[in-house]
Amino acid sequence: GAVVSQHPSWVICKSGTSVKIECRSLDFQATTMFWYRQFPKQSLMLMATSNEGSKATYEQGVEKDKFLINHASLTLSTLTVTSAHPEDSSFYICSAREGWGQIGGYTFGSGTRLTVV
Amino acid sequence: SQKIEQNSEALNIQEGKTATLTCNYTNYSPAYLQWYRQDPGRGPVFLLLIRENEKEKRKERLKVTFDTTLKQSLFHITASQPADSATYLCASGPGGYNKLIFGAGTRLAVHP
Repeated sequence: GAVVSQHPSWVICKSGTSVKIECRSLDFQATTMFWYRQFPKQSLMLMATSNEGSKATYEQGVEKDKFLINHASLTLSTLTVTSAHPEDSSFYICSAREGWGQIGGYTFGSGTRLTVV
Repeated sequence: SQKIEQNSEALNIQEGKTATLTCNYTNYSPAYLQWYRQDPGRGPVFLLLIRENEKEKRKERLKVTFDTTLKQSLFHITASQPADSATYLCASGPGGYNKLIFGAGTRLAVHP
């Protein structure tokens, strides 16, 4: 089945630094990937839609200059949290779907726990 | 705005019983609904998808229903086991086949 690999699984960084999270589709090509954020005991909130070869589409209220998304190939999307602050500490999850254009389930990465100190 | 609501934050049941989780949607008519399982510290795992023209879908001990009149989907786990303990998320893609919006989830605990 479709596998999405996310790396790193956890990261601790100092306030003001930047952190890059990678999301890879291992056995399929993903022209579109999605980035979510999840705070403790809350549901997943969609941050942005990452499109291969073009700009990402951000959800309302998500700062595009703070959360930089790059989708340089059909199997890799990256999310960079720039100038991270403690309030950016969260669980970040990516997802993709094989067989674009058809209705189907989405495959999620295992998530990245970001802690900004 | 389009909303998916899972009214029960937590559900505790005895092993062997049937767990029933509820998902309600408002302000739109989804073409489908999806159900995911999420374990602590992990990403969601896809379980089932049901289309608006399907009344019921089954997969092993799982059953999902879709009632467009009540604007509701029910998710059932029969003969529940402690290993079924997890958070279950309802999701849908408003406006087509792309991005998903999620309900808040229901945390299921199955006790031996």
